[in-house]
Amino acid sequence: GQQVMQIPQYQHVQEGEDFTTYCNSSTTLSNIQWYKQRPGGHPVFLIQLVKSGEVKKQKRLTFQFGEAKKNSSLHITATQTTDVGTYFCAGDDYKLSFGAGTTVTVRA
Amino acid sequence: KAGVTQTPRYLIKTRGQQVTLSCSPISGHRSVSWYQQTPGQGLQFLFEYFSETQRNKGNFPGRFSGRQFSNSRSEMNVSTLELGDSALYLCASSSGEGMRTEAFFGQGTRLTVV
Repeated sequence: GQQVMQIPQYQHVQEGEDFTTYCNSSTTLSNIQWYKQRPGGHPVFLIQLVKSGEVKKQKRLTFQFGEAKKNSSLHITATQTTDVGTYFCAGDDYKLSFGAGTTVTVRA
Repeated sequence: KAGVTQTPRYLIKTRGQQVTLSCSPISGHRSVSWYQQTPGQGLQFLFEYFSETQRNKGNFPGRFSGRQFSNSRSEMNVSTLELGDSALYLCASSSGEGMRTEAFFGQGTRLTVV
């Protein structure tokens, strides 16, 4: 069955630095979604990517969908304390399968 | 409009008991999915219901079951509880029609099995 893997599992970032989290699927995806879960909260939708090679930006967040539609990345520039949380990618292949997430902590 | 509502928020059960969790989706949404979240494991897909029918199922034992009512509300049942069933159970609602769109999650039910 479909497996979605995310790396790294943990990301410790100095405030102001950039980082990237990666998502890889064992199968081709029709689309991919990204969610953010704050500590103690529930996942909240960030974005959906549908087209091969698609790139979307939300302020300091840049999302990319691979050409083969099997991988995706989330790049955050100038990290802020408000970026703390766990970022999940979710691949859509008949069902929404979530990766294990990248948990981000920020050093002020 | 109101968000996804899950009840109860917290639950403590004894090993061997059974439990029923409830999820009321956003008005107009016909798809409800259930996930189990444990530390370091991400969200494990349990099942998805659409218009009262189970549309997809994850790799969980038969002790985990669910159903959806005509008003799209969904329940999840776990029988013969095991210690390893302790987790946050999340439900997510979406329109469920055409290409999948964003899922709206409830606050979750924190189940502790002792």
